[in-house]
Amino acid sequence: SAVISQKPSRDICQRGTSLTIQCQVDSQVTMMFWYRQQPGQSLTLIATANQGSEATYESGFVIDKFPISRPNLTFSTLTVSNLSPEDSSIYLCSVGVGGGNQPQHFGDGTRLSIL
Amino acid sequence: GENVEQHPSTLSVQEGDSAVIKCTYSDSASNYFPWYKQELGKRPQLIIDIRSNVGEKKDQRIAVTLNKTAKHFSLHITETQPEDSAVYFCAASTGGGGNKLTFGTGTQLKVEL
Repeated sequence: SAVISQKPSRDICQRGTSLTIQCQVDSQVTMMFWYRQQPGQSLTLIATANQGSEATYESGFVIDKFPISRPNLTFSTLTVSNLSPEDSSIYLCSVGVGGGNQPQHFGDGTRLSIL
Repeated sequence: GENVEQHPSTLSVQEGDSAVIKCTYSDSASNYFPWYKQELGKRPQLIIDIRSNVGEKKDQRIAVTLNKTAKHFSLHITETQPEDSAVYFCAASTGGGGNKLTFGTGTQLKVEL
């Protein structure tokens, strides 16, 4: 399976600031996904990042709060803006290598805490 | 959109017993159903998956069954071991593994000695 590198692995941020999370894959992938996992909860999809087009956001998530970049087929960033305590979560990227019929694999995640 | 329900939320079994976790989905267009295991502080790891053209799939002590008519699928773990203790998530997708996943709420499995 693909090697997915995500960083930072964790961060502690002040309210009102922003954090950008990077996801790097060792092979080219069409779609990359960003998920949020709140403490003790399941995974919720934030958005799908397609190379060369705007990200597709799920209901309840907006671009102003979670801007995403996808400059090429191996890299994406997720920014969490205007941080509040409710943003304390684990953020994970995932990819499905090989197209639409291949399993998805996750990065190690970014554990974000807000002071 | 898709909705995935998962039961039970917690499951405690004795070592060597079997464990069964069940999920139901709402979108009849879903055709791919993976299961992930997440140990504390770690990433979700894919342990088995099944596509809608198959009714059952096995991999050593793990098996998944799918009933498309009833829109439910289950994870079966036999001969449980302490290292099976983790949170298990089911998920569903309409476009194979490369499409977005909708996750169930998770099952905390504890295997007791």
